Amino acid sequence: GAVVSQHPSWVICKSGTSVKIECRSLDFQATTMFWYRQFPKQSLMLMATSNEGSKATYEQGVEKDKFLINHASLTLSTLTVTSAHPEDSSFYICSADPGAYGYTFGSGTRLTVV
Amino acid sequence: LAKTTQPISMDSYEGQEVNITCSHNNIATNDYITWYQQFPSQGPRFIIQGYKTKVTNEVASLFIPADRKSSTLSLPRVSLSDTAVYYCLVVRGGNTGFQKLVFGTGTRLLVSP
Repeated sequence: GAVVSQHPSWVICKSGTSVKIECRSLDFQATTMFWYRQFPKQSLMLMATSNEGSKATYEQGVEKDKFLINHASLTLSTLTVTSAHPEDSSFYICSADPGAYGYTFGSGTRLTVV
Repeated sequence: LAKTTQPISMDSYEGQEVNITCSHNNIATNDYITWYQQFPSQGPRFIIQGYKTKVTNEVASLFIPADRKSSTLSLPRVSLSDTAVYYCLVVRGGNTGFQKLVFGTGTRLLVSP
C-alpha cells in the first residue's frame, strides 16, 4: 500500500535551535501534504497545508515564520521548526492522499526541546 | 464539513464486539464517513469509509442509517491490540487530495484481558 515516510522519528534539540522534519511519499506523488501537531492525550491539530511548488497555507494561529514548510517536489515536504522552544515540544505528523481510500499518515516525529 | 461527536472513551474485554457511534448531524449529500485508528506515538491509520448502509472489510464494519446523521464502527471480537484511539471524520466526496482532514476528540478504546 501507499507509504508516507517521516524522518526523524524522534529528535531532541536545544532551545533556540532549528529542527527539520522530512515527509516523503514513497510510491505515489503528492501535490498536497498536510502537517499536524499532537500534544499528549489530545487530538491531531492541523497546522498547515503544504503545496508543491507554492507557498504553504497555514491554519489560524500557526506562526508561518516559526514553522517553515517547503514542498519542493511531488514526493517531499519538509517542516522546519525555527528557534525551537520547550513549548514546541510535541508529536508532529504529516499526511497525504495516495488516491485510494483514505489518507496515509507518516509515523510521526517526537520533538523534545530542552 | 460536518462536525462529529463521539464518546471520549470506551472499555471492553477481549473477544467482545465493540460498537463506537459517531454523530454528524450536518452531514452533506456528497460527504462520506471515514474512520481512523491511532496507536500511541504513531500516525493514524485508515480503517474504513462508507456513504450509506453497511460497509465491511477485514478489520471492521461500518453501519450508516438512512438519514446518515450518525454512523457506528463495529469491531468484532476485539483483542488487546485493538486498544487505540478511533477517530470519526466526515470527508467531502470527489477529489479529496486537497481536502483538509479535521480530527475531533476521538474515542479512546481500552481492551482488557
